Amino acid sequence: EVQLVESGGGLVQPGGSLRLSCAASGFTFSSYDMHWVRQATGKGLEWVSAIGTAGDTYYPGSVKGRFTISRENAKNSLYLQMNSLRAGDTAVYYCARESRTGGGFDYWGQGTLVTVSS
Amino acid sequence: DIQMTQSPSSLSASVGDRVTITCQASQDISNYLNWYQQKPGKAPKLLIYDASNLETGVPSRFSGSGSGTDFTFTISSLQPEDIATYYCQQYDNLPPRYTFGQGTKLEIK
Repeated sequence: EVQLVESGGGLVQPGGSLRLSCAASGFTFSSYDMHWVRQATGKGLEWVSAIGTAGDTYYPGSVKGRFTISRENAKNSLYLQMNSLRAGDTAVYYCARESRTGGGFDYWGQGTLVTVSS
Repeated sequence: DIQMTQSPSSLSASVGDRVTITCQASQDISNYLNWYQQKPGKAPKLLIYDASNLETGVPSRFSGSGSGTDFTFTISSLQPEDIATYYCQQYDNLPPRYTFGQGTKLEIK
């Protein structure tokens, strides 16, 4: 059974940093592109970052230069290093697996809440 | 960047009704369009990929159509368990970019 379990969320002050982790199981982690997607309370979904199987990384303009996605295939783990955090980064952060068929996200974790507040 | 305009933002329908949600892209995205269902407090679930393909295990009352800039998501006969928010999502490969629509909150009348 495919499982994705996020951890590392919490309360952080504006300008601070946080590192999220996602533990993957039930599939060959190294063979899949992986993503982070966030959702502010009561709002829609926003793609945050992607990492390919070769370690290539991609970001939208809203987080580029502040967030860094990485993976450790030996540990079946995905990470998101978030620096220079702002109140607007407050959200539930999901890790998600990209399907082999099309660009959809076929498995998601349960999410971890990041709150940026003083 | 490609913008996705999803409508309506909310919808009230009765059990058994046919429900339709639309998504319009700001430019041609071929069939690079997916649909998700999200229930309160839960992660999204992929229902339709590449505009019209049903994800494994998803009931056949869900369907999608369209290409280019205009896409449609349909529930042929609304069931109580379909109450959720639905999102479209487009993707680009060069470079990889993923954009979600604003969502449609579906309620039972």
